Amino acid sequence: DGGITQSPKYLFRKEGQNVTLSCEQNLNHDAMYWYRQDPGQGLRLIYYSQIVNDFQKGDIAEGYSVSREKKESFPLTVTSAQKNPTAFYLCASSHLRGEGYTFGSGTRLTVV
Amino acid sequence: NEVEQSPQNLTAQEGEFITINCSYSVGISALHWLQQHPGGGIVSLFMLSSGKKKHGRLIATINIQEKHSSLHITASHPRDSAVYICAVYGGATNKLIFGTGTLLAVQP
Repeated sequence: DGGITQSPKYLFRKEGQNVTLSCEQNLNHDAMYWYRQDPGQGLRLIYYSQIVNDFQKGDIAEGYSVSREKKESFPLTVTSAQKNPTAFYLCASSHLRGEGYTFGSGTRLTVV
Repeated sequence: NEVEQSPQNLTAQEGEFITINCSYSVGISALHWLQQHPGGGIVSLFMLSSGKKKHGRLIATINIQEKHSSLHITASHPRDSAVYICAVYGGATNKLIFGTGTLLAVQP
């Protein structure tokens, strides 16, 4: 079955360390997205990509980096420059123009 | 906020008819209703660009002129307890804009 896979589900890191969250999709979607969710707030867009080897900053890109070397994969690196990295991170993908929007199950990152 | 949902919290008794509202202030090409369970994963319930859609006990409507959408749940059940999120897809921005969600608790 087609879907979008995020791993790991839970991740703990020490302050000052970079950490990479994985997102893979086999839906043949062109667009992929990373969102951050904090308690009591709506999802906020970190980065998105509509084509391989190209990506755009979202609303809260500072302290994050991404790559899109393959259509299926869109990993997110939370760098030590991100001041409040503890959050729930969701990856999503869609066809262009937003059709077939599909979300992953999320990664809960805790930085101690 | 570009997308407003109401109510923020809703408690219902099993069997009740439930309505969650979404208003938006931007031009859109589509509106999504999403469901998020306590584990965190999000499921897309509907994508609407006009009119009404029905799936099982769920009904979603949209009024483009009034920039308003509603999600209805008929014969609610405790398993419907979740956060329901409205999100609009703006053709100009080419990305989803999310509401803050409505936390629904259905009591047996």
